[in-house]
Amino acid sequence: VQLQESGPGLVKPSETLSLTCSVSGGSIRTYYWSWIRQPPGKGLEWMGYVHYSGKSRNNPSLKSPVTISMDTSKNQFSLKLRSVTAADTAVYYCARIDYGDSVDSWGQGTLVTVSS
Amino acid sequence: QSVLTQPPSVSGTPGQNVTISCSGSTFIIGSNYVSWFQQFPGTAPKLLIYRNNQRLSGVPDRFSGSKSGTSASLAISGLRSEDEAEYHCAAWDDSLSGPVFGGGTKLAVL
Repeated sequence: VQLQESGPGLVKPSETLSLTCSVSGGSIRTYYWSWIRQPPGKGLEWMGYVHYSGKSRNNPSLKSPVTISMDTSKNQFSLKLRSVTAADTAVYYCARIDYGDSVDSWGQGTLVTVSS
Repeated sequence: QSVLTQPPSVSGTPGQNVTISCSGSTFIIGSNYVSWFQQFPGTAPKLLIYRNNQRLSGVPDRFSGSKSGTSASLAISGLRSEDEAEYHCAAWDDSLSGPVFGGGTKLAVL
């Protein structure tokens, strides 16, 4: 399976960060689909996941409100992070999760900078 | 502050063996599988080891994983210059219903 992120690389403070992940080589109707971010020079942080069944879960430690949704007709899933601040500047990865087990596939990542 | 604890850096010379540790709680590492990822600068992490000690197809057998209690280790034998990268551990957190990661360990091949 291949994953590819797309979306703006620059977002202004207090605005909404929106990214889309396009999945190819496999159906989005299986597995769990996730967003993981990595601030510059820091470790990885899981943000949340969505499943075809409608099940979703966000990391409660995130300060900004998160919505992860899926469009099965396009084999895509999306991230919206609202009211962003400079602390949300990071490389954002979309990823596939084998629930309860491991992250087994990653997109190439996209850098999003929050700045006016 | 990451949930899982890794040393910030380790180093070795070509041909040496190195080990990277990853520690966590009973309810995370103690209860679930550990995975290891390799990340080169400017690229996405790549899964190396899953379910504590299972190598992904194509990963050299110089890489091995193990787990005991609330700690896990990634061992690299016969170090090569191309192994210089950052390595991350991860495990499922049942209370979070999601994965948690270590802070990453930079491996330098001197």
